[in-house]
Amino acid sequence: AQSVTQPDIHITVSEGASLELRCNYSYGATPYLFWYVQSPGQGLQLLLKYFSGDTLVQGIKGFEAEFKRSQSSFNLRKPSVHWSDAAEYFCAVGAGTSYDKVIFGPGTSLSVIP
Amino acid sequence: EAQVTQNPRYLITVTGKKLTVTCSQNMNHEYMSWYRQDPGLGLRQIYYSMNVEVTDKGDVPEGYKVSRKEKRNFPLILESPSPNQTSLYFCASSLLIAPDTQYFGPGTRLTVL
Repeated sequence: AQSVTQPDIHITVSEGASLELRCNYSYGATPYLFWYVQSPGQGLQLLLKYFSGDTLVQGIKGFEAEFKRSQSSFNLRKPSVHWSDAAEYFCAVGAGTSYDKVIFGPGTSLSVIP
Repeated sequence: EAQVTQNPRYLITVTGKKLTVTCSQNMNHEYMSWYRQDPGLGLRQIYYSMNVEVTDKGDVPEGYKVSRKEKRNFPLILESPSPNQTSLYFCASSLLIAPDTQYFGPGTRLTVL
């Protein structure tokens, strides 16, 4: 079955430190992969996406993610975290026979220590 | 301003009382979708629509109905709400039928007593 796992429920980092959020997916075909961010009380906003091509993708707010097919992973990274990055982060995969469904992971909550 | 709107934003109701949550987008998007968000479970897709009069089930469609009579609107209907449908609901839309960047509404917090 298609699925997305985010092993870390909650992560705390100090402001200025680097960040890596893990995402693993289970999908038989070439996946379409996304990272979304949800600030408190808000809807979700796309950070970046991967459809094909370069496996290192750049997104907004200084985030990047790397697709590793051999590890079925799409980890999100940021070299220096800002206090405003505190939010919930969701990894998602486009699934279904026509990629018409979207499956989200359970999310990782990020706290930032000043 | 390009946006997805949902109404109401907050709703408290009782078991069995039919309700509708509206969703509208002004971006002429083909694809629209409903999700529910529950702690520890992330977002789960309820229904989606690839165009007018074309809808399909997501992973958790039981107890919900949808319709897509106009391109811009995609209401979510709970014919007989139950307490296990207490959740935070999001509507989203995207330009293309295949998974593309989804634009999310602000969410509707539903409580069923």
